[in-house]
Amino acid sequence: ETGVTQTPRHLVMGMTNKKSLKCEQHLGHNAMYWYKQSAKKPLELMFVYNFKEQTENNSVPSRFSPECPNSSHLFLHLHTLQPEDSALYLCASSQGGLWDIQYFGAGTRLSVL
Amino acid sequence: RKEVEQDPGPFNVPEGATVAFNCTYSNSASQSFFWYRQDCRKEPKLLMSVYSSGNEDGRFTAQLNRASQYISLLIRDSKLSDSATYLCVVNRSGNQFYFGTGTSLTVIP
Repeated sequence: ETGVTQTPRHLVMGMTNKKSLKCEQHLGHNAMYWYKQSAKKPLELMFVYNFKEQTENNSVPSRFSPECPNSSHLFLHLHTLQPEDSALYLCASSQGGLWDIQYFGAGTRLSVL
Repeated sequence: RKEVEQDPGPFNVPEGATVAFNCTYSNSASQSFFWYRQDCRKEPKLLMSVYSSGNEDGRFTAQLNRASQYISLLIRDSKLSDSATYLCVVNRSGNQFYFGTGTSLTVIP
């Protein structure tokens, strides 16, 4: 148990559905991240929040919408996704700083039909 | 050019062998470096940070060569439990972490 909890662990959705992924960290960290991991590709950083403020958005399509109501919770709202969005979505948190260690949740495995 | 490049492998080695992985990064402004380990269908976990002076943790040794922009990981006396994917991670600044695709290692009995 890393102290970062993601729900749901698995999600199957149609292209017209709206769903949300949830991440919660119990480590007292200040930064939270969303990553996408597809087969044969490196982890892709999607969004970063520092002290609830979004500091990075790596050209992610608008059908992915993050929300960070406080420094312990992070959501990823999904709307009209495409089949190529099927992947493992990982949440991470860290204290902040150059030699930051990121702690990852177990991920949500998403399938878009 | 990719930010971080790794040989994906797979590396299949017998128990007790020594195996080395390399990773190159493209941005000379990168400031901190890490190796993470990811087991099958699990999340990545920090294996070790890679400092300029190099560092060792038991059977694992990490080295950084800033001039050539590469990072290495050496595993001595491989155990079956070392089987995993090893991810090279580079932090350019702040919260900009870049991951390699990972190198797959299987240690064979």
